[in-house]
Amino acid sequence: EADIYQTPRYLVIGTGKKITLECSQTMGHDKMYWYQQDPGMELHLIHYSYGVNSTEKGDLSSESTVSRIRTEHFPLTLESARPSHTSQYLCASSEDWTQYFGPGTRLLVL
Amino acid sequence: QKEVEQDPGPLSVPEGAIVSLNCTYSNSAFQYFMWYRQYSRKGPELLMYTYSSGNKEDGRFTAQVDKSSKYISLFIRDSQPSDSATYLCAMNPQGGGGFKTIFGAGTRLFVKA
Repeated sequence: EADIYQTPRYLVIGTGKKITLECSQTMGHDKMYWYQQDPGMELHLIHYSYGVNSTEKGDLSSESTVSRIRTEHFPLTLESARPSHTSQYLCASSEDWTQYFGPGTRLLVL
Repeated sequence: QKEVEQDPGPLSVPEGAIVSLNCTYSNSAFQYFMWYRQYSRKGPELLMYTYSSGNKEDGRFTAQVDKSSKYISLFIRDSQPSDSATYLCAMNPQGGGGFKTIFGAGTRLFVKA
């Protein structure tokens, strides 16, 4: 079982609030990823990181930001949540191209 | 056109049946092929991966890649109710990091006891 953790698992929040989704892994992987997953749709990459102090935007445009100050930690922040941000957010890490996923955070913005 | 196409299902089979899950793709650069299983309200977990063409077997699961047809399959033998989940195919070009992985939308499988 992969050692990658996400908190919170579920979050209901009002429009305009700032939120941070936490992701941590204990496998020592350099590469980490954030995906957005909507029901019946493909996973869409929104951010990734090659290692500490490295972050890149993915294919899907996102208003979120990420940081990578420590190898094991890759938080995602939304400065001002909107209903369009309602989705499931999945964090993953990898040593190569095989990714290990966390359990996900289900976000509902009212 | 999507790079990876996967029938969303749902696919419903009786316990003990052989299940065939498939994906087609358009990018001939894909070299690494993966299958993930995702239970409801959980993250995807890696089931199997193959490199280039051929078959790979792991217990009740067999992954098959036909690069000439741009078609990959996952076979599940002696299916169990615990196999009920969404199965995602994923593909990556050679030399690409995980950030180049393209996922299918997933096929929902129900195995009835």
